[in-house]
Amino acid sequence: GESVGLHLPTLSVQEGDNSIINCAYSNSASDYFIWYKQESGKGPQFIIDIRSNMDKRQGQRVTVLLNKTVKHLSLQIAATQPGDSAVYFCAEIGLSGGYQKVTFGTGTKLQVIP
Amino acid sequence: GAGVSQSPSNKVTEKGKDVELRCDPISGHTALYWYRQRLGQGLEFLIYFQGNSAPDKSGLPSDRFSAERTGESVSTLTIQRTQQEDSAVYLCASSLQRGGRGFTDTQYFGPGTRLTVL
Repeated sequence: GESVGLHLPTLSVQEGDNSIINCAYSNSASDYFIWYKQESGKGPQFIIDIRSNMDKRQGQRVTVLLNKTVKHLSLQIAATQPGDSAVYFCAEIGLSGGYQKVTFGTGTKLQVIP
Repeated sequence: GAGVSQSPSNKVTEKGKDVELRCDPISGHTALYWYRQRLGQGLEFLIYFQGNSAPDKSGLPSDRFSAERTGESVSTLTIQRTQQEDSAVYLCASSLQRGGRGFTDTQYFGPGTRLTVL
C-alpha cells in the first residue's frame, strides 16, 4: 500500500549546525508535499510546502528538496536553534476518488543541543 | 477565529462512557479532517469532510467512532463505549479546498484534544 516513512526517528544536532530530515514516499501520483513541525502539547504547524513540479523551495532558514525519481523528500534547517526542537512530519497529498488524500509520515524528533 | 479550535483541550473519562470532541475550523474552510495521534507516534487519519458530507470514512477504527459536521462549520467526533486503547490526542484540521474535487491544499491544525480513558 501507499506509505510515507522517515529514515531517522531521532536526530540530535548541535546548536548552529544545519539539520537534514528525510522522508520517503511511495505514491508517485502525489502532487503536493508539506512539512509540519509539532512542538510538545501542540498541533502540527505548517512549515513549508512544495508541489511536484518543483524540486526545491526555500523559506526562512528552511529548504525543502524533492527528488521524484527516488521518491524522496528532505527538510533542511539552517543554523539550527533550540526553538527548532520538535517532531517533524512530512505529508504527501494526492487525489483519491477525486478528493484530497493526505498521508503522514511517522515523524522525526529533532533535538537541538545547546 | 483566526485558527482551528478544539474543545475540550483535555478529557478524562471512564471506560465504557461516551465522549464528544468538538472542532471549529477556520471560517470559510470547506474541508475538515480528524486524526488520532497516540503518544510518541504519527498521525492516523480518521475521517474527512467536504462540506457536510464525508467522502472518506476509511480511517474510523470501529463502529464506536462516528463524526458529523453541520453548517459546513463545526464538527463533532463521538466515541461510544470508550476503551483504554482510545486514549490519544485527537487532532482536527481544515483546509480551504475552494475547488472541492480535484484540488489539493494545505491543512491547518488545531491544538488537539487529549483523551484519557481510565
